[in-house]
Amino acid sequence: DTGVSQDPRHKITKRGQNVTFRCDPISEHNRLYWYRQTLGQGPEFLTYFQNEAQLEKSRLLSDRFSAERPKGSFSTLEIQRTEQGDSAMYLCASSSPPGQGFSYEQYFGPGTRLTVT
Amino acid sequence: GQNIDQPTEMTATEGAIVQINCTYQTSGFNGLFWYQQHAGEAPTFLSYNVLDGLEEKGRFSSFLSRSKGYSYLLLKELQMKDSASYLCAVRDVGDYKLSFGAGTTVTVRA
Repeated sequence: DTGVSQDPRHKITKRGQNVTFRCDPISEHNRLYWYRQTLGQGPEFLTYFQNEAQLEKSRLLSDRFSAERPKGSFSTLEIQRTEQGDSAMYLCASSSPPGQGFSYEQYFGPGTRLTVT
Repeated sequence: GQNIDQPTEMTATEGAIVQINCTYQTSGFNGLFWYQQHAGEAPTFLSYNVLDGLEEKGRFSSFLSRSKGYSYLLLKELQMKDSASYLCAVRDVGDYKLSFGAGTTVTVRA
């Protein structure tokens, strides 16, 4: 039974560098979500995909952030020209389509902790 | 938008019961979720309510009143491993993303 996986688990980068994170959802899940969580706060929604289509982006997602899910399976989140304020835990989650579970709850991956120095 | 409030911290004794309240003000409502998150780990799903009433699942129960915009998570027979952050999250109508509260850190003491 494989859950949601994320890579890398930790990333330390210098301000101004670009970083890319990967998320592999549960295989039969067609919805994939990205959230950002800072210390002492709940996760904040960034964006989500249904299959390969990006259906919604949060206003939190500046033009330095881009996400893709090219074949409707894994997803990548790229942050360009990182800033210290980008330091956070980036969480990926996936869920099944409606009809395949009453609540279609989201299953979270272990997250990628980004530190921008 | 969503406004979700829950207490910041709670402390209880091993074997006791703790109730974590969550109030929400939302433009629409399509379900309320509770997640448990241990420090440095991913949130894990605990419960889901979309209709008024109590949902029981082992030592954990969750209650919802849609008219009051109120939910609680009840943790019974507390164990040391229950020390964690508990997140209340609301899903909007026709939406899939979750809006989370800041979380309630529960500390279980011997």
